[in-house]
Amino acid sequence: SQELEQSPQSLIVQEGKNLTINCTSSKTLYGLYWYKQKYGEGLIFLMMLQKGGEEKSHEKITAKLDEKKQQSSLHITASQPSHAGIYLCGADGDYGQNFVFGPGTRLSVLP
Amino acid sequence: DTEVTQTPKHLVMGMTNKKSLKCEQHMGHRAMYWYKQKAKKPPELMFVYSYEKLSINESVPSRFSPECPNSSLLNLHLHALQPEDSALYLCASSQDRGAYNSPLHFGNGTRLTVT
Repeated sequence: SQELEQSPQSLIVQEGKNLTINCTSSKTLYGLYWYKQKYGEGLIFLMMLQKGGEEKSHEKITAKLDEKKQQSSLHITASQPSHAGIYLCGADGDYGQNFVFGPGTRLSVLP
Repeated sequence: DTEVTQTPKHLVMGMTNKKSLKCEQHMGHRAMYWYKQKAKKPPELMFVYSYEKLSINESVPSRFSPECPNSSLLNLHLHALQPEDSALYLCASSQDRGAYNSPLHFGNGTRLTVT
């Protein structure tokens, strides 16, 4: 079955700094999703990547999927306290299998 | 604002109580999900409904009983829960189950505490 790993596990940055979160799959990714979760709340869908080499941006967040479609990165430029939360990557499982989540990366942004 | 609505937001119940969690979506999605999330862990899948039929039950104890009255509504009936069942319960929906590139849309969850 497909497994996702994320690094780092947690991250503390000063406001204004750039940061990158990585998500690595044990198998080829056919659909890779990034979500953000504030403590005790639901998951907010950020972006979906499908094609090798694809890159998408939303405001100050950019996500990329590598050419081999086994690794994705999420990059935040000029971080703000509002970016704080848990970032989870998720992926479509093999055909007929369930959607899987990575363990999450906890981001804190210090003002 | 989320397009998946869950009620109640918080629930405290005793081990002998019967309660229900409710979820509603009006995006025309045909797949709906229940997830359980413990602190500092990713969500774990409990049930999947596809076209109003239960398609996946991830070996969930019978004290959790899902129901899908129609394509927009999903309930989770709770009975004789244990304190270890305390968690955040998340509902999600997607356009179709098993279709690639069909992201899950989540509600804000119900924080359940079993005393």
